[in-house]
Amino acid sequence: KAGVTQTPRYLIKTRGQQVTLSCSPISGHRSVSWYQQTPGQGLQFLFEYFSETQRNKGNFPGRFSGRQFSNSRSEMNVSTLELGDSALYLCASSLDSVNEKLFFGSGTQLSVL
Amino acid sequence: QQQVKQSPQSLIVQKGGISIINCAYENTAFDYFPWYQQFPGKGPALLIAIRPDVSEKKEGRFTISFNKSAKQFSLHIMDSQPGDSATYFCAGKAAGNKLTFGGGTRVLVKP
Repeated sequence: KAGVTQTPRYLIKTRGQQVTLSCSPISGHRSVSWYQQTPGQGLQFLFEYFSETQRNKGNFPGRFSGRQFSNSRSEMNVSTLELGDSALYLCASSLDSVNEKLFFGSGTQLSVL
Repeated sequence: QQQVKQSPQSLIVQKGGISIINCAYENTAFDYFPWYQQFPGKGPALLIAIRPDVSEKKEGRFTISFNKSAKQFSLHIMDSQPGDSATYFCAGKAAGNKLTFGGGTRVLVKP
């Protein structure tokens, strides 16, 4: 069974641009969560989606948004990029919104110049 | 507000020794406490987890000890191996699948 797939693996953008990151969950998993990982702030929860609905949202500005499609694949978007948005963005999937076992992808490393 | 405090930030242990990582939490709504292991270039992987109604859980060389009254829990890695060299994160879960992570502990096992 394939794991969580995140694309692209690396991304370089400049300030002010926007970016879209993609996540394909494990087959059969319907819940997708996104986390931001930085050396200074550690791992921080961005949002969680289940059945195309946002179930939970972390303390991030509105520039960070996401969505989930009917096939459970998810995308997150960051608009008007800032230098501080440079981070590893991790996607995690689980069977549903109450199954606690999260399976993480390898992440997308975003660098904002 | 850092709701999960993890210590130490790093530790070095000899092969065969015991690695101990401690976490303290504030949110009494947490009902699930997982530990994740992360290698460079990879995402975190679930190692072991415990619920607050259990005081200890052991899986192979990994043991979680949980003290609900003190709001503390710890990970013990017995017979540490060089392959255990990684960063370890504790976490707490409240609503849905939102995990609140500790700051991480970088473990280096020397051969």
